Amino acid sequence: AQSVSQHNHHVILSEAASLELGCNYSYGGTVNLFWYVQYPGQHLQLLLKYFSGDPLVKGIKGFEAEFIKSKFSFNLRKPSVQWSDTAEYFCAVNANPMDSSYKLIFGSGTRLLVRP
Amino acid sequence: GAVVSQHPSRVICKSGTSVKIECRSLDFQATTMFWYRQFPKQSLMLMATSNEGSKATYEQGVEKDKFLINHASLTLSTLTVTSAHPEDSSFYICSATRTGGYTFGSGTRLTVV
Repeated sequence: AQSVSQHNHHVILSEAASLELGCNYSYGGTVNLFWYVQYPGQHLQLLLKYFSGDPLVKGIKGFEAEFIKSKFSFNLRKPSVQWSDTAEYFCAVNANPMDSSYKLIFGSGTRLLVRP
Repeated sequence: GAVVSQHPSRVICKSGTSVKIECRSLDFQATTMFWYRQFPKQSLMLMATSNEGSKATYEQGVEKDKFLINHASLTLSTLTVTSAHPEDSSFYICSATRTGGYTFGSGTRLTVV
């Protein structure tokens, strides 16, 4: 079945450590890819998205993600995390990019805790 | 930027009653909105796709008679949880689309007692 997988369910890091969160999808065709962040008690915010072009995408707050088509992956990275990055991170896929109103399917999320 | 307003943010209702949740796109027209459900410490599970002026498309396993969706205008979609039961307690999130992106509401925490 088509799906989005986030393998890291819980990640604990110290401040200044580097972060990489995995995301893999199983859709065979062209996709649009997203990473969202959900801070405690807040709504989802878009970190970055990939539609086409340069597979290395830069987002807000120092986050970036790399689309590797051959691996069906879109991993999120940040060189140096801060305590304020403590949140839940969701990878999401639009499996019908010709339709910008197509449904988004989410991964299971990764809960990140950054210790001061 | 695009803003989606979701109301109410929290609601407590008695078992057997119905609850309506509103989702409004404030500064853009959204022909399509989505309704998600998020259980504690879990991901967002898509419930249905709401299309303005037509019937909603429900995901497999979602009871359409229990979760009534109405998208009467380009800026408003409503989700009504009918005859709510404690197992319907959850966090419900709407999302509206426009070219190039999706905007999410702040969610509604429903508690059925």
